[in-house]
Formats: sequence, structure tokens, C-alpha cells
Amino acid sequence: GAVVSQHPSRVICKSGTSVKIECRSLDFQATTMFWYRQFPKKSLMLMATSNEGSKATYEQGVEKDKFLINHASLTLSTLTVTSAHPEDSSFYICSASRQGADYGYTFGSGTRLTVV
Amino acid sequence: GNSVTQMEGPVTLSEEAFLTINCTYTATGYPSLFWYVQYPGEGLQLLLKATKADDKGSNKGFEATYRKETTSFHLEKGSVQVSDSAVYFCAPRLGNTDKLIFGTGTRLQVFP
Repeated sequence: GAVVSQHPSRVICKSGTSVKIECRSLDFQATTMFWYRQFPKKSLMLMATSNEGSKATYEQGVEKDKFLINHASLTLSTLTVTSAHPEDSSFYICSASRQGADYGYTFGSGTRLTVV
Repeated sequence: GNSVTQMEGPVTLSEEAFLTINCTYTATGYPSLFWYVQYPGEGLQLLLKATKADDKGSNKGFEATYRKETTSFHLEKGSVQVSDSAVYFCAPRLGNTDKLIFGTGTRLQVFP
């Protein structure tokens, strides 16, 4: 079955530094990848949609200069949290879409970011 | 706007009890409908889906029927197990995009 690998699973960083999170589709080509943020006991908030080879589309209220998304290949998308602050601490999850939504979406296992 | 409403829970049940988690949605057109499950410390996994009205999705004993007239997609299972303890998300896919809209999720706790 389709597998999406997300790394790291946990990361702690200091305020002001940047953190990169990788999302890889291991056995399929992901034309579209999505990045979500999940707050404790809350739903997943879609942050942005990335398509291979083009700029990401950000949802309203998401700072594109703070959350940099790169989708350089059909199997890799990265999210970089720049100049991290404690309020950026959260659970970030990526998902990949393959040939349209009827296949469903495959989710990564998530990254727990803690900014201290 | 597009939205999903589901009970937040926690829903607490004894093993072998019947489960219903309600989900209603507001979305333009006729979206495909999904249920995802998130086990502790893990990402989301597709549980089941339905792509058109009256379709029934099923997997691992769980079922949900796409009800266009009530814009609902309630999740049911006849006999829950402790291993079903997780958070369940109802998620319509908007018809004109590839975006999934998530509800707040419903936490299910099953005790032996």
C-alpha cells in the first residue's frame, strides 16, 4: 500500500532557529502534498497545498514566509519553520495525494515540534 | 462555508458495545466522504470512504453510509474493541479541489 514517511517524528529547537520537516512518498508519486497543523484536542488545520515544481498555495492566515514549503520532486516535500517561536510548537502532519481523491490521502506519522 | 460537525467526545464505551459517531457536513456540490482514524502518537489512517450518495463504506467492522438528503456520514460499529480506542475524523473532500475538510475529531475510549 501507499506509504508516506515523515521525519523527524520529534524535534526540539531553540527560539529563533529554523526547523525542516520532510515528507516522502515511498512507493508512489505524489503530485500533490498537503501540510496540516494539529493543535491539542483540535482538528487538523490545513496550512498549505504543494504541487511538484510549483509554488505552494497557502491557506488564509498562514504566513508563507514563516512556513516555507518546497515540493522539489514527486516524492518529496519539505516544510521549514523559520525563526521558530514557542507558539509554533505543534504537531505537523503531511499527506500525499495520488491520482485524485478517490484513492484517499496517505498521511505521514506527524512531527511533534517543541520550540523552547 | 464548508464545515464538518462531529461530537468531540470523549465517547466512552465498554468492549462489545455498539458505536455511533455522528457526522454532518456543509459543502458545495457532492463531496466524497472519508473517515480517518488516528491512534495515539500516530498519523491519520484512512478507515473508509464513500464517493456518492447512498454508498456505504466499510472496513474493520466499521460502516458509514453517504446520506445526501441529511448531509451526514455517521460512523457505526456493532461491537467495539479496546483496540478501537483512537480519535476518529470525518472529512469531506471538496468537489472542486483536492482539499479535505476536517472536523474536530471524536475521541473514542473503549474499556474492557
